[in-house]
Amino acid sequence: AQTVTQSQPEMSVQEAETVTLSCTYDTSESDYYLFWYKQPPSRQMILVIRQEAYKQQNATENRFSVNFQKAAKSFSLKISDSQLGDAAMYFCAYNRGGSEKLVFGKGTKLTVNP
Amino acid sequence: EPEVTQTPSHQVTQMGQEVILRCVPISNHLYFYWYRQILGQKVEFLVSFYNNEISEKSEIFDDQFSVERPDGSNFTLKIRSTKLEDSAMYFCASSEDGQASQPQHFGDGTRLSIL
Repeated sequence: AQTVTQSQPEMSVQEAETVTLSCTYDTSESDYYLFWYKQPPSRQMILVIRQEAYKQQNATENRFSVNFQKAAKSFSLKISDSQLGDAAMYFCAYNRGGSEKLVFGKGTKLTVNP
Repeated sequence: EPEVTQTPSHQVTQMGQEVILRCVPISNHLYFYWYRQILGQKVEFLVSFYNNEISEKSEIFDDQFSVERPDGSNFTLKIRSTKLEDSAMYFCASSEDGQASQPQHFGDGTRLSIL
């Protein structure tokens, strides 16, 4: 069974600094997709960034980028120039090709200090 | 931007009672999902739904659970005889075509408390 592990229950960062959230996963599949979702307090989960396993190039979306290490099964999220609005719960998720089921990590609560 | 909406935001129910959680997926999306998150645990997949049928379900989704699309806009999760361990946050999601590469769009969730 596929599993996703986020080893940091909580992280904090100073405004304008950079922070990296860790995620590892376990799978024997070759076709899969990885996602980072952000859930602000009392708000819905929204997609931050996604990565196709077959792509070697790391995905980027403005201040958000990933470090995808396929052999190590690692998928970390880097947030540059952190803003107060980045404070949220961040979930790493996995989806196997051909499946509709997202498998989530437990989440990392990110605090941004002014 | 279109959103998935869920009602109610909080539902309190006596153990043994039936409860229906409601969701309005994004209008042009074809696949719908329910997930749940028990306090302090991971978000877990329950079921996916396409073309008025269950497409995929987890071991959690047993006979006490059912899903329905009663009309063109709503998507519901029914729990027939609630147990204390059903207390959780329930999230509805939808996606355009169900492909693994496509992001799922989530609602705010319904907090279900069983007494």
